[in-house]
Amino acid sequence: DSGVTQTPKHLITATGQRVTLRCSPRSGDLSVYWYQQSLDQGLQFLIQYYNGEERAKGNILERFSAQQFPDLHSELNLSSLELGDSALYFCASSVGQWGMNTEAFFGQGTRLTVV
Amino acid sequence: GNSVTQMEGPVTLSEEAFLTINCTYTATGYPSLFWYVQYPGEGLQLLLKATKADDKGSNKGFEATYRKETTSFHLEKGSVQVSDSAVYFCALRHGGATNKLIFGTGTLLAVQP
Repeated sequence: DSGVTQTPKHLITATGQRVTLRCSPRSGDLSVYWYQQSLDQGLQFLIQYYNGEERAKGNILERFSAQQFPDLHSELNLSSLELGDSALYFCASSVGQWGMNTEAFFGQGTRLTVV
Repeated sequence: GNSVTQMEGPVTLSEEAFLTINCTYTATGYPSLFWYVQYPGEGLQLLLKATKADDKGSNKGFEATYRKETTSFHLEKGSVQVSDSAVYFCALRHGGATNKLIFGTGTLLAVQP
């Protein structure tokens, strides 16, 4: 158990809908990262937050947004869903925002299926 | 840009066979290198890491050496077990004001008894 909790584990929704994925980082971790794992794109970095502020952006679509709350949990919002958004979404957390010893610990992921 | 290339799978081995999964990277500067493992139905777990040239990361019988001259970080294990069956990801973390990881495509390892 990595200590990173993601809910829900599975989500099935229709095209055009909006969903929210939730991540609780390990106790004491200030950084949260979101990754998307799909068959055609592999594991792609989406976005990073540190202590409530956005720190880095990757290949995140404009239809997607995220935030980190004062209690450090994070939510990834996916809207106007398309079939191609079906993927496994991972959250990871680390103590710091950069540096040599800030290992990232991953949650078990949320599997999103868009039908 | 920064990228990671790893050998395509699946890699199918018999128990106690020697394992090598190749990984090469492209990056400016001096990235840190990682191997993550994903067991069926689970998230990613850090297997081992190396933060500078010639460092050897090791864990659970797996090893990988950071070779700057060949920009490689090949994963090896002398004797695999059925329980090692999983997807293995090579990744790099570039320095700078972010801790994001750049992953390879993953290599599925299937170990048969």
